[in-house]
Amino acid sequence: DAKTTQPPSMDCAEGRAANLPCNHSTISGNEYVYWYRQIHSQGPQYIIHGLKNNETNEMASLIITEDRKSSTLILPHATLRDTAVYYCIARNAGGTSYGKLTFGQGTILTVHP
Amino acid sequence: DADVTQTPRNRITKTGKRIMLECSQTKGHDRMYWYRQDPGLGLRLIYYSFDVKDINKGEISDGYSVSRQAQAKFSLSLESAIPNQTALYFCATSDPGTGSDAGYTFGSGTRLTVV
Repeated sequence: DAKTTQPPSMDCAEGRAANLPCNHSTISGNEYVYWYRQIHSQGPQYIIHGLKNNETNEMASLIITEDRKSSTLILPHATLRDTAVYYCIARNAGGTSYGKLTFGQGTILTVHP
Repeated sequence: DADVTQTPRNRITKTGKRIMLECSQTKGHDRMYWYRQDPGLGLRLIYYSFDVKDINKGEISDGYSVSRQAQAKFSLSLESAIPNQTALYFCATSDPGTGSDAGYTFGSGTRLTVV
């Protein structure tokens, strides 16, 4: 898996968009960008993933730069319940891959009232 | 009901005791995993199973064993618990999908303390 770099912490006001950056400059062509989050001591929660196109689901949007060396996770209207550690992972997610999820330090997102 | 259920949620056990952590899922996924999480070390893979007849060691399988009783059930055992196995344990499932897996679904975790 390619190494990823994220800021250690970010703050966001409730109701505003939270934009979480991730650098993955050594990502290879078959590696996807995945985002997970973990609320204190709960199980990690899958958010979104993508290869090279921007993606959106009910939780978030994922913007991947054209050169794929970085990406941004966007929570469009952050709530207090979005306070968590957010992990960006670059991994080969093909059918033969197995569960070696390498979580780095992640970004602690704190949403303020 | 949760997609992935782990029992117990919390457990304190003594050194040398055998303990089993149980996991069941309603996702219908073939792939199941056991991880442990320690502060500052992220998630580490203990064992994984791609179907009922397939069991594979992960990064840190020493001191652990598993049993895949059915597609929906995957248990982790500590044959003789030791204090450095004190950790938060997670079970997870995944579906390989057609090009990429759609993420892993994790249970709520079992906090195990070995004294």
